[in-house]
Amino acid sequence: GQNIDQPTEMTATEGAIVQINCTYQTSGFNGLFWYQQHAGEAPTFLSYNVLDGLEEKGRFSSFLSRSKGYSYLLLKELQMKDSASYLCAVGSSGSARQLTFGSGTQLTVLP
Amino acid sequence: KAGVTQTPRYLIKTRGQQVTLSCSPISGHRSVSWYQQTPGQGLQFLFEYFSETQRNKGNFPGRFSGRQFSNSRSEMNVSTLELGDSALYLCASSLERVTEAFFGQGTRLTVV
Repeated sequence: GQNIDQPTEMTATEGAIVQINCTYQTSGFNGLFWYQQHAGEAPTFLSYNVLDGLEEKGRFSSFLSRSKGYSYLLLKELQMKDSASYLCAVGSSGSARQLTFGSGTQLTVLP
Repeated sequence: KAGVTQTPRYLIKTRGQQVTLSCSPISGHRSVSWYQQTPGQGLQFLFEYFSETQRNKGNFPGRFSGRQFSNSRSEMNVSTLELGDSALYLCASSLERVTEAFFGQGTRLTVV
């Protein structure tokens, strides 16, 4: 079975740093994905980790520990436009493309 | 390069009816996946098509079906609509050996 947990809501201040955690238990694993979704819009791809360690992409970084079933998304220098839902997803093993998503973390950035 | 295009954007149907949703992937992408998004269940995988073949299917009843055409465009069909089918239906496309999936804007289906 698949189980992905992430906090429901988080609040942070503009200019600050926020870390969104994600833990997973899945029967197959082919990478950990993070997506951003603004209200009423499609999810947009942020990052992908398949090996342990930190991947940095501008203000966004993502970390993965496969042995612990744990990932986090780090957002630096928060901006108001970063207010959105952040979705953690695990890719299925094998050739098929299937993502199992967590429920999402609604981040609110305050001025 | 155009993104993933889904039509229609909004749809209102009556219980018992059937509906067909369309998805045109990014040019060159042969994998198309469908997801249902609801406030209660979040994003759930429906099925994935590659080269006109269904490669994987999520835990949804047989009323949900799909197909893919030779130009990689995909359709999904829901028959005998129920109120609980009201949701945002998202289509995502990806390249065969590239991992990220690109989502369309979705079709918001309301069943009344």
